[in-house]
Amino acid sequence: GAGVSQTPSNKVTEKGKYVELRCDPISGHTALYWYRQSLGQGPEFLIYFQGTGAADDSGLPNDRFFAVRPEGSVSTLKIQRTERGDSAVYLCASSSSAGLPYEQYFGPGTRLTVT
Amino acid sequence: TQLLEQSPQFLSIQEGENLTVYCNSSSVFSSLQWYRQEPGEGPVLLVTVVTGGEVKKLKRLTFQFGDARKDSSLHITAAQPGDTGLYLCAGASRRGSTLGRLYFGRGTQLTVWP
Repeated sequence: GAGVSQTPSNKVTEKGKYVELRCDPISGHTALYWYRQSLGQGPEFLIYFQGTGAADDSGLPNDRFFAVRPEGSVSTLKIQRTERGDSAVYLCASSSSAGLPYEQYFGPGTRLTVT
Repeated sequence: TQLLEQSPQFLSIQEGENLTVYCNSSSVFSSLQWYRQEPGEGPVLLVTVVTGGEVKKLKRLTFQFGDARKDSSLHITAAQPGDTGLYLCAGASRRGSTLGRLYFGRGTQLTVWP
């Protein structure tokens, strides 16, 4: 089947604006993850959903960041009052089980640029 | 805080050479994954190791998980230009409150010249 898809692939926004990033996981995968990758760094965990609920949101940097997964499939990462420091590639991943080991399959990412 | 330290950060070699990339931590992980990432794409899973001391082979790539499940290595034999990419190791948390999250290293950027 199709892999993880993310839209848009690129987003340029002005400082202070609101953005939404969308993730479509692999069909049937119950777990969904958001990561952020800055230049020269490995991905950094943001939030993890098991079904519709956020099982771990401890990686969200502050209350400007919020994510939802209302029907247990598609997820949206929402960033309010964007800042230049939010510029990064936002990666989404999904996995088929919450059990060990965690083999996560990543989408191509959304490159967010805040000007 | 980087839980996983990868070395070297950059590696530039000629086709046909062998290389080893290291991934070290003071933390114990329930499993460790190796990913490869190319520019403009998401990481692609190469292998998962679960048991301390485990060795897995994927064609010319050999992955080893340390006995204490704190470190891992990736060895490539006879590297080819197609091996060029960013190699990332990621550890899966074993604590109930953080189950599911992966802790990534900063990656090793490998360039193989023809």
